[in-house]
Amino acid sequence: EAGVAQSPRYKIIEKRQSVAFWCNPISGHATLYWYQQILGQGPKLLIQFQNNGVVDDSQLPKDRFSAERLKGVDSTLKIQPAKLEDSAVYLCASSLGSSDDEQYFGPGTRLTVT
Amino acid sequence: QKEVEQNSGPLSVPEGAIASLNCTYSDRVSQSFFWYRQYSGKSPELIMSIYSNGDKEDGRFTAQLNKASQYVSLLIRDSQPSDSATYLCAVSGGGFKTIFGAGTRLFVKA
Repeated sequence: EAGVAQSPRYKIIEKRQSVAFWCNPISGHATLYWYQQILGQGPKLLIQFQNNGVVDDSQLPKDRFSAERLKGVDSTLKIQPAKLEDSAVYLCASSLGSSDDEQYFGPGTRLTVT
Repeated sequence: QKEVEQNSGPLSVPEGAIASLNCTYSDRVSQSFFWYRQYSGKSPELIMSIYSNGDKEDGRFTAQLNKASQYVSLLIRDSQPSDSATYLCAVSGGGFKTIFGAGTRLFVKA
């Protein structure tokens, strides 16, 4: 069974530029998560989708971050414009059902904002 | 503010010893509890999930849950140098999002 795929793996941008990350979850997993992990901290949930719908986006900085999950499969997370404090690893995870189920993570995208 | 607390460590144990990792959580309605292992520069990898009070064993790993005390732990028996990593505790359920602790760094000395 293929795992969660993410791209790109690394990205370096200047502040005020935009960037987009892509995620393809495990086949058949209804729920997809985007996390931000800053060095030395645990992952922080940015947004959770169940199928096409948003379950939780309470910690998504909506003035600069946006995410979509078209057709209930792939997802894209965008940052526009980026700030220095957005430097982090962006992790995508998926689970079969709700957040009560085990989540499986992709390899992550390391973003550096200069 | 829902919280998940872990001792940041590092926890250092000799090879072959038992490593004990602890986690406390603030929300009593939490229903699902997970332990993840994260090697430096890698993404979290699921080790175990636990949903009911008591112990759950999987190979060298045992997860323990005590909902009354809002406490979940992970025991690693016969610790190996390859177990050296950061261990993340995650809590979810009860209608709220998954919250991760900051992790405990484990170092197993050969």
